[in-house]
Order: sequence, then C-alpha cells, then structure tokens
Amino acid sequence: SAVISQKPSRDICQRGTSLTIQCQVDSQVTMMFWYRQQPGQSLTLIATANQGSEATYESGFVIDKFPISRPNLTFSTLTVSNMSPEDSSIYLCSVRFTLTYEQYFGPGTRLTVT
Amino acid sequence: EDQVTQSPEALRLQEGESSSLNCSYTVSGLRGLFWYRQDPGKGPEFLFTLYSAGEEKEKERLKATLTKKESFLHITAPKPEDSATYLCAVQARRDSSYKLIFGSGTRLLVRP
Repeated sequence: SAVISQKPSRDICQRGTSLTIQCQVDSQVTMMFWYRQQPGQSLTLIATANQGSEATYESGFVIDKFPISRPNLTFSTLTVSNMSPEDSSIYLCSVRFTLTYEQYFGPGTRLTVT
Repeated sequence: EDQVTQSPEALRLQEGESSSLNCSYTVSGLRGLFWYRQDPGKGPEFLFTLYSAGEEKEKERLKATLTKKESFLHITAPKPEDSATYLCAVQARRDSSYKLIFGSGTRLLVRP
C-alpha cells in the first residue's frame, strides 16, 4: 500500500490566480496520476506523470493550464493556472504499483474559485 | 467500447441488513478490477483488487467476487459507519497505456 499526502487540503482562490498542489508519497513509485472530481461526479484523469518522462495529458487538459512537475519518485506538483470558477473541484493525486497494478489515492485538495 | 456500470445508484439499508452492490463491465484486456470506498470530500480508499474470474477477497464485513462479466461487493450485517460511496474501476488498455475506468458509484446509507 501507499500513504499519500497532499497540500493544501483545501483553498479558496480568486479568479485569474494560480495554485500549486503538492503530492508526497511514502514510497518510491514510478507511476503517478492527477485526477479531478467535480461535485457529484466520478473521477476524471487529468494527466499521467511518470518519473523520468514528460507528463501525458488527457483530452481536454493542456500543459499551459495544468503544468505538472515530477522531480523524483516520491513527489509531484500540479498547478492550476489562470483559475476560473469552473476549476472548482477536488484534485486528487494517485500512484500505481507496477507489480500489483494497485492504485492508491491521496486525500484530495478541495479547490474553490471565486 | 470499454464500460463500467454500477447498480444500484443508491441503496438504503437498516443496520444488520445484508446486501450486494453490482459492477458490470465490458472491457477488452482486463488487467484488474478494483473496489474503492469514498467518503464525502475525501479521496477514494482502496479496498480490493480482483484479477481473474472466480477470485474472492474479504475484509471485515465486505466480500468482493469476480466473474467474467461482473463483480459483486457483498456487505454482511452493515453498520452505519459503512455508509459511503463505493466505486468500482477496471484497469484497461487505452491508447498506449493502462488506465482506470470508473463506474459512477453506489451511494450506500446504513441507518441505525
């Protein structure tokens, strides 16, 4: 299993600003993912952030809006840039273990954009 | 097209009233089926991984089973603290990698 922490746990931001979310894992993991979950909805994959390669974005998500860093095997950041109220959501970090395929999620960052 | 469907959408039980949640899937190249529990405003909590038809796993009052077309999450004698949304997901190949495909979840409410 994995213990994942995220900072901040929640934030209220103004339109047009940016927020960087940090994800820390208690073990070294190659595969890391960022998801978004809007109220009452299921999880939507934003991007895959494997260490040693550029992040791969899903359709509808672009690097200019959601830049990602993955400097090592235990840490990643997701920035939500030039925010609008439509970006209000819970953002989740997730890791997958290569041998078991098991995927674990962090506690989430609740973002509200006013 | 890969698809995961959960039923029912919502389920209300009395404490001690056992029941089952269903997850049916249509996936080519299934690599694993996962069950998660999610409390409001929190990230999904990993419960089980099932890899092949016939496999069963148990944890406290929960038991997950898998066939070639569906999975069941059986809840035996539930307690109010079991109230949560239960998510089913399959890991399937999309583009050049494997991704989790989630169902829409079953919201479980257990009344004392």
